[in-house]
Amino acid sequence: RKEVEQDPGPFNVPEGATVAFNCTYSNSASQSFFWYRQDCRKEPKLLMSVYSSGNEDGRFTAQLNRASQYISLLIRDSKLSDSATYLCVARKAAGNKLTFGGGTRVLVKP
Amino acid sequence: GAVVSQHPSRVICKSGTSVKIECRSLDFQATTMFWYRQFPKQSLMLMATSNEGSKATYEQGVEKDKFLINHASLTLSTLTVTSAHPEDSSFYICSARTLAGSDEQFFGPGTRLTVL
Repeated sequence: RKEVEQDPGPFNVPEGATVAFNCTYSNSASQSFFWYRQDCRKEPKLLMSVYSSGNEDGRFTAQLNRASQYISLLIRDSKLSDSATYLCVARKAAGNKLTFGGGTRVLVKP
Repeated sequence: GAVVSQHPSRVICKSGTSVKIECRSLDFQATTMFWYRQFPKQSLMLMATSNEGSKATYEQGVEKDKFLINHASLTLSTLTVTSAHPEDSSFYICSARTLAGSDEQFFGPGTRLTVL
């Protein structure tokens, strides 16, 4: 079983719609969580950290459920430029290595 | 923001040759650099953690004699794929962690290696 698992998608989303997807992690020692965005053939870029109380950054909202060991990302008012692969990332302790999920592909269409 | 560069961005080589990839932190000092590999439609897999001035720590299943890592300065780490074979063809990405402040990792743009 992979340590961080994601639905690979693709999620086909009409422009302006809302899309949400989850990520599950198996290692209960994971302490920090992040969402990265990766465009085709490019490096991943940090989208947002995920805090225990949930956090929002513009149209993006991240939630963490430690009891069920999952993280979610919600994108509101989807833009064409939101089309990308979203990588869920877990880290066990500060300074420790990042463990990436396989990514969820999102395609926003006009 | 912090910038990490990689060189070359793309390389095509014959089977059996060695390829060196450079990872540089351009505007900050990085005590730790990480090397990842990503096969098509798969996630990033950490290969090794490189600390300046010491030997790299390799992940399970990664051959240290095949993937040579050198981190000679606070701004440069190199990965050498020795005797490359077609199955080594992949997207190699490095990341660097700043010396102080945020614990965020900054990723390089990646190097696409194709071994014929």
